Amino acid sequence: GNSVTQMEGPVTLSEEAFLTINCTYTATGYPSLFWYVQYPGEGLQLLLKATKADDKGSNKGFEATYRKETTSFHLEKGSVQVSDSAVYFCALLVTGKLIFGQGTTLQVKP
Amino acid sequence: DSGVTQTPKHLITATGQRVTLRCSPRSGDLSVYWYQQSLDQGLQFLIQYYNGEERAKGNILERFSAQQFPDLHSELNLSSLELGDSALYFCASSVVASGGYAGYTGELFFGEGSRLTVL
Repeated sequence: GNSVTQMEGPVTLSEEAFLTINCTYTATGYPSLFWYVQYPGEGLQLLLKATKADDKGSNKGFEATYRKETTSFHLEKGSVQVSDSAVYFCALLVTGKLIFGQGTTLQVKP
Repeated sequence: DSGVTQTPKHLITATGQRVTLRCSPRSGDLSVYWYQQSLDQGLQFLIQYYNGEERAKGNILERFSAQQFPDLHSELNLSSLELGDSALYFCASSVVASGGYAGYTGELFFGEGSRLTVL
């Protein structure tokens, strides 16, 4: 079936550190891939997306590249800030359904 | 502010009871989705409506039901509540550009959620 697997958290980093959150997927066909972010006490919001292989989504300094050969969509940021502390969800869209991973909590310490 | 409104924000009730959660989508969005977020299950898709009609069903229990009204707001009804139903329930809305799967963009706008505690 269709599914998304994310690295387990929490991920704890110091400010200005490099961030990678791993995401791999299993899907039939050619899904679109997404990263959503959930700040404390808020609903999820779209961070970035990619709709086909080799596409790179980017927003607010975050990037992720759609790798079909490794079925991955890892999230990266070169220098994290305290304000990036949140839960990050990888998701795929296939046959009209948006399927989320379990979420990875990121804690950034000053 | 996503433009999606959910009420109530918090709800505490007892086992066996019934509750109704309400969602108003963003202006112009025809599609409404319900998700359940719990610590052990993560974010689970429950059900989707498009312009008043059920479009997709996920892991929704038979004790749960939903509907979307002509004004496009939606309600999620949870009955015979159990302790395990305690969770954060999110509503999301989206624009579906056309019929069929091609119209889905995957860009959902989420409300702030309704936190249900069953005692």
